[in-house]
Amino acid sequence: QTVVTQEPSFSVSPGGTVTLTCGLSSGSVSTSYYPSWYQQTPGQAPRTLIYSTNTRSSGVPDRFSGSILGNKAALTITGAQADDESDYYCVLYMGSGTVVFGGGTKLTVL
Amino acid sequence: EVQLLESGGGLVQPGGSLRLSCAASGFTFSSYAMSWVRQAPGKGLEWVSAISGSGGSTYYADSVKGRFTISRDNSKNTLYLQMNSLRAEDTAVYYCAKGPRYCSGGSCYSPGHWGQGTLVTVSS
Repeated sequence: QTVVTQEPSFSVSPGGTVTLTCGLSSGSVSTSYYPSWYQQTPGQAPRTLIYSTNTRSSGVPDRFSGSILGNKAALTITGAQADDESDYYCVLYMGSGTVVFGGGTKLTVL
Repeated sequence: EVQLLESGGGLVQPGGSLRLSCAASGFTFSSYAMSWVRQAPGKGLEWVSAISGSGGSTYYADSVKGRFTISRDNSKNTLYLQMNSLRAEDTAVYYCAKGPRYCSGGSCYSPGHWGQGTLVTVSS
């Protein structure tokens, strides 16, 4: 069974830059997996940040960007702000209408 | 503005059934694949099921295959999830989601817009 991997936790200083990654337990992530990224704060529904590797969802600031770095999908946040402190999830398209979420990364801004 | 409003959650005993609904507005419902995603208390997001825009193709996670049925009524702009043989591990907030506005190929099955969710609790 394919597992989508994410760092369990990460920290960044205010104003700093952080890159979160999304990989596969076996194999490399490519644009064919249409990686998407979501932000979620406690008690709230997820918010879509990025889809199709690097397309920002409506209203998402350009501080958030998506890419493929090596064999993983990546979400880069530049100029980190206090309200970026959230859980971040990636999802990969596995074909035949199915997607798999990563376990999520808890980002701390301090 | 895209709006997705889930309903139908509640408390149900193990082995029981529940039907969730998701009323959609603000977009051409029949043009988009739709999905259900759940989140158990304190846990991460888990994809549950998806359905094509026409309703002709359906997909399920192994954890719910044979117990859950996804369907849609394009004349009512409504998505459904019939959940049977419920287990304690099905306890979660269930989110309705649609693909991104400018999607193509597989990206249309990734959530682009989310509802606020409805809580399903399976307990005796």
